[in-house]
Amino acid sequence: GQNIDQPTEMTATEGAIVQINCTYQTSGFNGLFWYQQHAGEAPTFLSYNVLDGLEEKGRFSSFLSRSKGYSYLLLKELQMKDSASYLCAVRDVENTDKLIFGTGTRLQVFP
Amino acid sequence: DSGVTQTPKHLITATGQRVTLRCSPRSGDLSVYWYQQSLDQGLQFLIQYYNGEERAKGNILERFSAQQFPDLHSELNLSSLELGDSALYFCASSLGHEQFFGPGTRLTVL
Repeated sequence: GQNIDQPTEMTATEGAIVQINCTYQTSGFNGLFWYQQHAGEAPTFLSYNVLDGLEEKGRFSSFLSRSKGYSYLLLKELQMKDSASYLCAVRDVENTDKLIFGTGTRLQVFP
Repeated sequence: DSGVTQTPKHLITATGQRVTLRCSPRSGDLSVYWYQQSLDQGLQFLIQYYNGEERAKGNILERFSAQQFPDLHSELNLSSLELGDSALYFCASSLGHEQFFGPGTRLTVL
């Protein structure tokens, strides 16, 4: 079966660092994506990992361990505008771009 | 603005009716994807088209169908609507691995 797990909700303080974890069990693996989604809006692409290791992009970093079926998204220097849902998604089969999404982690940043 | 457009933005209809949602991909993108997002649920993949042909299918109901036209825009047809079909419907397009999402159509079935 296909299963992607993320915490439902997290809270953090402005200026802090937060790590959002994602574990997956899928029939195949061809890349892991993180998207940000503000309530009622379209998801926007944050990061893509296909090899093990850390990908850094400004205040956001994403890590992947394929052997553990595990990824995390690290957000540094949190800002109020980072309050949103963060969606982990796996592309499970080669030659198709179908994404399997987790239910998302709703992050609230407090001043 | 992702460059993907969807119409209409909102749609309110009654049970048993049929609606059509429209999506125009980013210029140059050959793939179009449709997703459903119900309240408090994750994005559920429905179907993907690539250059006019169906490429991948998710848990799309038989009451739902889609197509991609020669100009690469796509339509999602939902028929015999039920209350549970109320959701946000997103279209996304891609050329490479990154999918760009449109603003969505919010469907309310009364």
